[in-house]
Amino acid sequence: DVKVTQSSRYLVKRTGEKVFLECVQDMDHENMFWYRQDPGLGLRLIYFSYDVKMKEKGDIPEGYSVSREKKERFSLILESASTNQTSMYLCASIGNYGYTFGSGTRLTVV
Amino acid sequence: GENVEQHPSTLSVQEGDSAVIKCTYSDSASNYFPWYKQELGKRPQLIIDIRSNVGEKKDQRIAVTLNKTAKHFSLHITETQPEDSAVYFCAASMEANDMRFGAGTRLTVKP
Repeated sequence: DVKVTQSSRYLVKRTGEKVFLECVQDMDHENMFWYRQDPGLGLRLIYFSYDVKMKEKGDIPEGYSVSREKKERFSLILESASTNQTSMYLCASIGNYGYTFGSGTRLTVV
Repeated sequence: GENVEQHPSTLSVQEGDSAVIKCTYSDSASNYFPWYKQELGKRPQLIIDIRSNVGEKKDQRIAVTLNKTAKHFSLHITETQPEDSAVYFCAASMEANDMRFGAGTRLTVKP
């Protein structure tokens, strides 16, 4: 059973802070994704990665960056958190049975 | 890029009735169309998917239909039960990579 683990379930950060959201998968999947989920907007793709040290912008990359130094770990970075980045963040990894999502990190920026 | 629209945004049905959720997509190259169910406070879970070489797929009370010409696909849930209450997301992609999701449908099944 594929596990996608997000390190924090809830986070509260201050405006301007640098924020790291961590995601780890245990099935040696090459493809990993970060989405944010907002009411009425569904899941929107921020960044994705097909391999180590490789990244591609999704639909809403502004204000975010990512890091993929190891195959199992895909980090989302908010360089300078802003209140409009308050959201639920979902990491996903893809295998033979489609996406497997992490439990999500609910980030509040105050 | 791909754009997915989903309707309705909310749907309320009586237990035992059927529920239908519809999605349209824009990129004719998309060939993989999954549906996810997200219960309150939980992660989205894949419930059924369809590929573009198939027009319909069924799994017990859940079915998905695909019309490639019109670029739309639908989720059908028959004999709905209260535990079907959740948010449902459709998605479209090429070869299951970098999927684009619809905005979601909140389904409520009233006992």
